[in-house]
Parts: sequence; structure tokens; C-alpha cells
Amino acid sequence: DVKVTQSSRYLVKRTGEKVFLECVQDMDHENMFWYRQDPGLGLRLIYFSYDVKMKEKGDIPEGYSVSREKKERFSLILESASTNQTSMYLCASVPPGTGNQPQHFGDGTRLSIL
Amino acid sequence: DAKTTQPPSMDCAEGRAANLPCNHSTISGNEYVYWYRQIHSQGPQYIIHGLKNNETNEMASLIITEDRKSSTLILPHATLRDTAVYYCIGISGAGSYQLTFGKGTKLSVIP
Repeated sequence: DVKVTQSSRYLVKRTGEKVFLECVQDMDHENMFWYRQDPGLGLRLIYFSYDVKMKEKGDIPEGYSVSREKKERFSLILESASTNQTSMYLCASVPPGTGNQPQHFGDGTRLSIL
Repeated sequence: DAKTTQPPSMDCAEGRAANLPCNHSTISGNEYVYWYRQIHSQGPQYIIHGLKNNETNEMASLIITEDRKSSTLILPHATLRDTAVYYCIGISGAGSYQLTFGKGTKLSVIP
């Protein structure tokens, strides 16, 4: 089974802090994604990466950056956390191929910015 | 991606089959029907997907109508742990890029 592991289930940080969210997958997947999920807004894509050191902006990249130094690890960085970044953050991964492979998600990190 | 319509909520008695419908009348020929579910405070869990044939795996069965305008996810023997929000999406390449969930169906399995 695919295993996508997010480093923290719950995290509380203060406004202005630099926040790192880590995601690791154990299936040698090339494609990895970071989403945030908010009530009434559904899933929104922040960034994705299709290979080591490669990244693409999603719909809402402002205030975030990412790092992909190794294939198995995709990090999301909040450069200077703000209260409107309080959210559920979800990481997903999928192998390349025909395009009909499902994305597999981690359990999510519920981040609160005070 | 195809627009999908699902009932907002459903109840199912524990041990009975749960049949969750989804309408996707605008689905195009190369779009797959995917089902995910999300248990409260957890990440979405992939369940099953199909193009035009019925599919079955260890979790569920997927029945797609011949015209592909609708489908039904079947959980054959629902348990309390199946209580979750179930999302149906039509997408040409779920591995490609962004997934977009609608409001889904809140399934409550009742003892």
C-alpha cells in the first residue's frame, strides 16, 4: 500500500513565524502535491512537483514556497505565517504514467496560526 | 473536468449495503469516474475508479451506467467506520494535476 506521511497532525504557530510542513512518500512517486482544505472552499492546490528540484505553482501559491530535494520528500514552507493560513494542509503523491493513477493523500496537518 | 452531482447526505444501517449515487452527465469520453472518501479530520482516501466497465476492489464496487452519465458506489456491508463524506469526481487524469472535490455525500452508518 502507498504510504504518504505528514510530519504533524496538529500544529500551532504564531503570526510571523516560518513554518515547515513535511511530507514523505514511500513509493518512489515522481508527482507530489500540496493542497489546503477549508470549509466551503474545498481542496485548493498550492504547489506541485513532478520531479526532484522541480516545482509548479498551483492556484494559491502566495505566501508559500516548497522544496523537493529528494524524490520521497516534499516540503511546504510558510515564509511568514499569517492567520489566514490557518487550515488543513494535505499532501498527495502519484506515480507518473497513463494519467489515470489515483492520488494518495496523507492524513493532513491541521495548522493553527495565532 | 466533469461536473458531478451527489445527494448531500444518506443514512445506512450497519451491515447493509450502502449505495451512493453520482450524476456526471457532462463527463467526456476520456474522463474516469473516481471515488474518494474523507473521514472526519483525516486526509481523503482513494476508493475506486473506472472508465466505463464496472469495477470491484476490496473496498467497494463501482457501477457505471452504459451512457456514463451516472454511477453508483456500493459498499457491500457498511460498518460504522464507513461513516464519512464521499466524493465522486470525473477527471481525465487524476495523476496529472489538481483534484477538485465538490460537496460530496455525507454517509452516516447507523448501528
